[in-house]
Amino acid sequence: QVQLLESGGGVVQPGRSLRLSCAGSEFSFDSFAFHWVRQAPGKGLQWVAAVSSDGNTKYYADSVRGRFTISRDNSQSTLYLQMNRLRPADTALYFCVREWIGGGRPDYWGQGTLVTVSS
Amino acid sequence: DIQLTQSPSSLSASAGDRVTITCQASQDIGNHLNWYQHKPGEAPKVLIYDTFDLEIGVPSRFSGTGSGTDFILTITSLQPEDIATYYCQHYNNLLYTFGQGTKLEFK
Repeated sequence: QVQLLESGGGVVQPGRSLRLSCAGSEFSFDSFAFHWVRQAPGKGLQWVAAVSSDGNTKYYADSVRGRFTISRDNSQSTLYLQMNRLRPADTALYFCVREWIGGGRPDYWGQGTLVTVSS
Repeated sequence: DIQLTQSPSSLSASAGDRVTITCQASQDIGNHLNWYQHKPGEAPKVLIYDTFDLEIGVPSRFSGTGSGTDFILTITSLQPEDIATYYCQHYNNLLYTFGQGTKLEFK
């Protein structure tokens, strides 16, 4: 059964950095593109970033471009989100999301890891 | 950048009601529009993809229509298990955009 397990969340001060990880198992990790999607407390879903299956193509939401970096290590079946210069507005539950192999929509979500940016 | 505007932002309905949620795109997005159902504590679930197509396992009371800039999600006979927040989502390759969500509650 496909599993996506996020880790790395926590409480961090504004301006600091955090790296999220998402370990995939029970599927061919290097065949799939991935996304990070977040949900701030009481708010809706917000797409954050995406990376192609080979790691060569990356996309970012305007709100995080230049501060966040998405990457992957296919040898370790792990997706990452490096988050720098964090802001209180980045406080959210961050989901690792696998894109359906045919493209255009997700097929599996992790349970999420909570990031709280607060002084 | 493409913006998606959902309406209403919240909705109260009774069991058996026909419910419609609209999603308007800021520019023509063809049929690259998906609808999600999100219940607290669960992962969001795709109901409809590419405007019209029902995801496997989704009840037939859910349907989608539209094209270009205007899209509609319809629930023909509301069931208690349909209480959730619904989102539209556009995709352009790997670039996603979500609508702000519609919270559906029982009257």
